[in-house]
Amino acid sequence: AQKVTQAQTEISVVEKEDVTLDCVYETRDTTYYLFWYKQPPSGELVFLIRRNSFDEQNEISGRYSWNFQKSTSSFNFTITASQVVDSAVYFCAFIFSSNTGKLIFGQGTTLQVKP
Amino acid sequence: GAGVSQSPSNKVTEKGKDVELRCDPISGHTALYWYRQRLGQGLEFLIYFQGNSAPDKSGLPSDRFSAERTGESVSTLTIQRTQQEDSAVYLCASSKEAASGGNYNEQFFGPGTRLTVL
Repeated sequence: AQKVTQAQTEISVVEKEDVTLDCVYETRDTTYYLFWYKQPPSGELVFLIRRNSFDEQNEISGRYSWNFQKSTSSFNFTITASQVVDSAVYFCAFIFSSNTGKLIFGQGTTLQVKP
Repeated sequence: GAGVSQSPSNKVTEKGKDVELRCDPISGHTALYWYRQRLGQGLEFLIYFQGNSAPDKSGLPSDRFSAERTGESVSTLTIQRTQQEDSAVYLCASSKEAASGGNYNEQFFGPGTRLTVL
């Protein structure tokens, strides 16, 4: 079975705190593609990052960083020094090679950053 | 246009009526996807068009749902005899092509159509 799980339903932090959003997945595919999307209150999904299963090199982009670990089937996302504008629902999503083209989404984590 | 556009932005209909939702993908994007997002939930895949290939309809929840795409342009999602459980936000996405050079391209999403079935 292919499954994407975001166990954290809601997280609330105070501005400037670091926050990590968890994402774990299940698949027997050896090739798959990993994505994170942000959905602010306006509702439109914003693409954040894409990785593939052959590249476990972690990435930092400004205040965002991603930690992909095949050994634990996890693809976690960290925001450093959070800001109020980071408040949104964050989705991790996958394309599995046996399910070509379709994004399989987790349930999303609602992040609230308080001033 | 610069991004994926969808119309209408909101649609309220009565149970049993048919509705048609429209998606205009980013120009030059050959792949187009429809997803559904129920309140407080993640997105569910509905259907996927890639160029002239037969669409992948595996996510359509019932035969009341259908979608068409003309060439590499506009797509319409039609829901016949709407039911209350069809109430959701329907999101369209497009990408350059589903995959190139062994990598799946990121999908860019429109603002969605919020459908309410009374």
